[in-house]
Amino acid sequence: GENVEQHPSTLSVQEGDSAVIKCTYSDSASNYFPWYKQELGKRPQLIIDIRSNVGEKKDQRIAVTLNKTAKHFSLHITETQPEDSAVYFCAAIGRAGTASKLTFGTGTRLQVTL
Amino acid sequence: NAGVTQTPKFQVLKTGQSMTLQCAQDMNHNSMYWYRQDPGMGLRLIYYSASEGTTDKGEVPNGYNVSRLNKREFSLRLESAAPSQTSVYFCASRAGTGSNSPLHFGNGTRLTVT
Repeated sequence: GENVEQHPSTLSVQEGDSAVIKCTYSDSASNYFPWYKQELGKRPQLIIDIRSNVGEKKDQRIAVTLNKTAKHFSLHITETQPEDSAVYFCAAIGRAGTASKLTFGTGTRLQVTL
Repeated sequence: NAGVTQTPKFQVLKTGQSMTLQCAQDMNHNSMYWYRQDPGMGLRLIYYSASEGTTDKGEVPNGYNVSRLNKREFSLRLESAAPSQTSVYFCASRAGTGSNSPLHFGNGTRLTVT
């Protein structure tokens, strides 16, 4: 089945700096890659996603890039703010036989300091 | 439109007791999922239901059973709770088995087994 690895596990940046979180996946047939943000005590919420037919997608301060050849994708947050502090999860959906299942990375705890 | 609703929000059980976690979605989604979240372990899939009438094991199904009661409802049952099942449980749904659509999560159930 699909295996997703996520790095780093913790990340501390100063307000205004950029943050980058990286994920790799194992199934070359994976074609959908969402990112979730989870604030303390809350549910994970989708912040951005990318499909395999595009290489990059942006939404204001958030961008995701995908390299299908290398089987990795990354989340970029620019001009970080204290409210960006949370745990971020990447995920990948596998080939048709496992199309129902999203496999998650183990999460990155981002702390934005003043 | 409430999205995904989970009950209860909190529960304390003694070892050996049983309980059922309830989940309902009002988005007419075909697929529903149960995840558990433990510190440092990310989100691990317990069971999922690709469509009404079907259920399949995920990554960590031991000690759990599920029922897809109808298209809206997907329950998770612990027959004989163990301290290792202390966790936060999230129910989620998505539009379809083959579609590249995101998961929508409920607010979670925090379960403690003593």
